[in-house]
Parts: sequence; structure tokens; C-alpha cells
Amino acid sequence: EDQVTQSPEALRLQEGESSSLNCSYTVSGLRGLFWYRQDPGKGPEFLFTLYSAGEEKEKERLKATLTKKESFLHITAPKPEDSATYLCAVRNFNKFYFGSGTKLNVKP
Amino acid sequence: ETGVTQSPTHLIKTRGQQVTLRCSSQSGHNTVSWYQQALGQGPQFIFQYYREEENGRGNFPPRFSGLQFPNYSSELNVNALELDDSALYLCASSLGQGVNTGELFFGEGSRLTVL
Repeated sequence: EDQVTQSPEALRLQEGESSSLNCSYTVSGLRGLFWYRQDPGKGPEFLFTLYSAGEEKEKERLKATLTKKESFLHITAPKPEDSATYLCAVRNFNKFYFGSGTKLNVKP
Repeated sequence: ETGVTQSPTHLIKTRGQQVTLRCSSQSGHNTVSWYQQALGQGPQFIFQYYREEENGRGNFPPRFSGLQFPNYSSELNVNALELDDSALYLCASSLGQGVNTGELFFGEGSRLTVL
């Protein structure tokens, strides 16, 4: 069964304290792994797409990496405005599977 | 460029009723998908439409149905509402067909409460 598991469920960081979020997945035919950011009361906002093991993408303080079984979202020197829920999703042909997300809280 | 818009933003229904949610896709996007997001959970895929045809469906019963119109806007219909249907319903548009569908662009959602 296709499945996405994210950890930790919640993460509290001090401003400037770097860390990583994990997304492990099992999918029969991976057609892309996606990272989204979701702010309270809003729809998810696209961050990255990764297609093959070894691929990396960067955007400001965020860097996403992909292996055959998991993806990491690395946050370097986070700021309070990075506080949000980060969602990981995989696409298998015409279906998307989302994890439950990691709720990140960055304190000033 | 117009983003994805959904209506209504909030609504309250009673058990057994029917509801229709609407979505206008982002300009130029030909694929629409719908998701159910319960509080504290990730979005769950309901189904996807490409050029007015359903071409992907998640584990939702047939009382969840949809339509896509020639202008690529879409509706989600839910019949015989149950208490567990209370959730945020998200619409996402994308460009492409099926296996080539690119990243999703989401609307703000419709918050449904079933009493």
C-alpha cells in the first residue's frame, strides 16, 4: 500500500538553530516527491519537486534531498517566518499521497 | 495571473444533506484534483479530473462525485453527508495529464461542518 510518513510531528527550534524534517515513503511507482508549506487556515504552497534518488533542490533557507526510501527537508538558520506545517507528498501515476506533516515553530 | 479560487469558504450542513463545492482553476491549468483535510492531518486525495474526465480516484465512496467543465473549473458533490465528512476541502490545479501532472497549486479551501 502506498504510504507517506513524516517525522517528527512537531518541532520547536530557536531562531538560527538548523534541523531536518523527514519524509519516508513506500510507493509502487514514484512519479515525483513534493514538499509543500501550509500556513494555518490556508491551502498548501508548493516548495519543491524531486524525481530521482540523489536529487537536491534549494530555496533560500530550505534544501530538499531524496533517496530511494526517504526525503529530507533541511532548514538552515531558520527564522520565525519559517513557522508553518511542512507537508510531503508522493505521486503515483494519477494519485497523490500526503503525509500528516511536521508542524515547525521557530522562536525568536 | 489568477490563482485557484474556491467557494464557499465556510458552510454548515446537517447529516444526510448534500453539498456542492466549487473551484476555479489557475489560468492555463487543465487538471483539477480535490482533497479532504481533517484537522491535524495531511490532505487525502479524493479524485482528479483532466479535460472533463475523472482519471484518478482515492479511497472515497461513490457518494463523493465531481465534475469538470470546459473552462476547467470543477465541482465536488457529496451526498448523504456524515459527521466524519467535516473537514477542509481543498482544490488544486495543475498543468498536464495524468503521469505528467506537475506541481499542484491549491486554493484556500472550503471548511465544511456537518452537524
